[in-house]
Amino acid sequence: DAGITQSPRHKVTETGTPVTLRCHQTENHRYMYWYRQDPGHGLRLIHYSYGVKDTDKGEVSDGYSVSRSKTEDFLLTLESATSSQTSVYFCAISETRTINEQFFGPGTRLTVL
Amino acid sequence: RKEVEQDPGPFNVPEGATVAFNCTYSNSASQSFFWYRQDCRKEPKLLMSVYSSGNEDGRFTAQLNRASQYISLLIRDSKLSDSATYLCVVKGSVEGSSNTGKLIFGQGTTLQVKP
Repeated sequence: DAGITQSPRHKVTETGTPVTLRCHQTENHRYMYWYRQDPGHGLRLIHYSYGVKDTDKGEVSDGYSVSRSKTEDFLLTLESATSSQTSVYFCAISETRTINEQFFGPGTRLTVL
Repeated sequence: RKEVEQDPGPFNVPEGATVAFNCTYSNSASQSFFWYRQDCRKEPKLLMSVYSSGNEDGRFTAQLNRASQYISLLIRDSKLSDSATYLCVVKGSVEGSSNTGKLIFGQGTTLQVKP
């Protein structure tokens, strides 16, 4: 299995509080992604990174920011959590953009009350 | 309209049955197609890529019909361990668009294999 960890694995928070999720990889892959997964929807891309300090928006980026200061870490921040951001968040990595397979972390289950 | 559409199921089948899942995609310029498998409360993992000529991996057969923008997955001799959600995935490849190189996921089709 690819070396990807996510922390925390579960979190319950209140509306309006800031939340940061961490993705850590040991594969030295250049590309990292944050997705959310909700019932009735496929995995939807929030943000992705194509190198240290290089990030771009996905299809559902509103309310989220990201940072990547090291190859191995990709942080997802909810500046002010809302109930609509209750979801399962997956981090993924890929070696290059043209490589087809993405490897996923175990996911973080976030509940915003 | 969703870019990748799947029948969510669930499909309930007995062990040993043959089951087929279908998926349609809206972007005719898409170049790469995949099936991922996701076990309950776990992360998705690549099951197989889908090629124009069709491809087989053991009990699993994937087919692509570009004219109809349709992808299928056939599972023969179903096992209890095949119970999972199967995600149809298309790789965006419209040059100059923000979708280039990104994976677009269907919502998944759930399979439950019963003894």
